[in-house]
Amino acid sequence: LAKTTQPISMDSYEGQEVNITCSHNNIATNDYITWYQQFPSQGPRFIIQGYKTKVTNEVASLFIPADRKSSTLSLPRVSLSDTAVYYCLVARRQAGTALIFGKGTTLSVSS
Amino acid sequence: DVKVTQSSRYLVKRTGEKVFLECVQDMDHENMFWYRQDPGLGLRLIYFSYDVKMKEKGDIPEGYSVSREKKERFSLILESASTNQTSMYLCASSPNPTSGGNTGELFFGEGSRLTVL
Repeated sequence: LAKTTQPISMDSYEGQEVNITCSHNNIATNDYITWYQQFPSQGPRFIIQGYKTKVTNEVASLFIPADRKSSTLSLPRVSLSDTAVYYCLVARRQAGTALIFGKGTTLSVSS
Repeated sequence: DVKVTQSSRYLVKRTGEKVFLECVQDMDHENMFWYRQDPGLGLRLIYFSYDVKMKEKGDIPEGYSVSREKKERFSLILESASTNQTSMYLCASSPNPTSGGNTGELFFGEGSRLTVL
């Protein structure tokens, strides 16, 4: 299973773009990269998932370089409500996969 | 919407008690997971199950057991609760890739905060 490494914390101001990078040096060919967001007293929720290059949805973008050894979650123009813990998860595309989270990145957005 | 329901939001138990944490999902997902979350340690996988009556150990299975008698229900059991098991417990489910779901797309419950005195 690929181990992930993220910064423990990041600070930002409202309106800025925030990029959170996750390192996963031993990612396997059939692993996908998924990001989750967690607010206090709630379970994490799925944000975005990708395999290579770039994926964009209404919430975020995910950039994955060709070697796939890292990935970057990009949050455009953050607001105070984006203050949360963000987790990167690398998962094998097969049934019965253990889904192991890293320690996550605490993003604090200030006005 | 997928719903994952955990039976209790808050529990207080005494050392040595047997504790059951119940989790039910309504989307016919094959996979179910139990995590615990502690400050500074993130989410740690205790056990998971990929089919009825099947179970696999996660990173921290010691002191826990699980039961999956029906597809929609996954129970976490603390045979003899200890103070170091005071934590937030999160249940999640996910579909298998072959059924069209996304690998790694987990749906979480609200969590059960357990305090062991």
